[in-house]
Amino acid sequence: GEDVEQSLFLSVREGDSSVINCTYTDSSSTYLYWYKQEPGAGLQLLTYIFSNMDMKQDQRLTVLLNKKDKHLSLRIADTQTGDSAIYFCAESSDRGSTLGRLYFGRGTQLTVWP
Amino acid sequence: SAVISQKPSRDICQRGTSLTIQCQVDSQVTMMFWYRQQPGQSLTLIATANQGSEATYESGFVIDKFPISRPNLTFSTLTVSNMSPEDSSIYLCSVARAGGEKLFFGSGTQLSVL
Repeated sequence: GEDVEQSLFLSVREGDSSVINCTYTDSSSTYLYWYKQEPGAGLQLLTYIFSNMDMKQDQRLTVLLNKKDKHLSLRIADTQTGDSAIYFCAESSDRGSTLGRLYFGRGTQLTVWP
Repeated sequence: SAVISQKPSRDICQRGTSLTIQCQVDSQVTMMFWYRQQPGQSLTLIATANQGSEATYESGFVIDKFPISRPNLTFSTLTVSNMSPEDSSIYLCSVARAGGEKLFFGSGTQLSVL
């Protein structure tokens, strides 16, 4: 968990944009991910980005990657109350250990106010 | 994506007992993993479930405490043995296909140990 950090809470008004930030330490990261966890549910893969890209857009979601600063962000446009959930940042890397192992942050609780 | 069914979804157990969690995938997958999410914490990889051979455990996790089976490419079980209150967590099964950069998660098993 200490290798991936994200702020724990974010509150926004419905209709505004949300930006969730994440920093990581491993420069050999290959893929970076955003997962969403709703109460009582498992993790839903929202989007991911390959480390040689700096941006990826998917409908209301925009991922920005600053590899030099090891900073990843997720922007949710026109945030809705249904977007309220915990958002996890995760990274995978070739650290010589388990293939498919992801390192997760502690999650950001996004609360959307009507 | 993959449809992952995990059972039970939740359980309350007595100290000293064991619980076996099942993970069923709707199609063959190359890799299956078991993660733990302690309250308010990030996800931690317990082990990789290897088909036809012993699981590969991460540092801090041992087979005697978390025996894992994987008899085929669509099914795996994780047993939490001799439980204590410290084992209260969400346990999640995850899968990936060969060469796949996407890791999918089941809905998790919420375990409470009294």
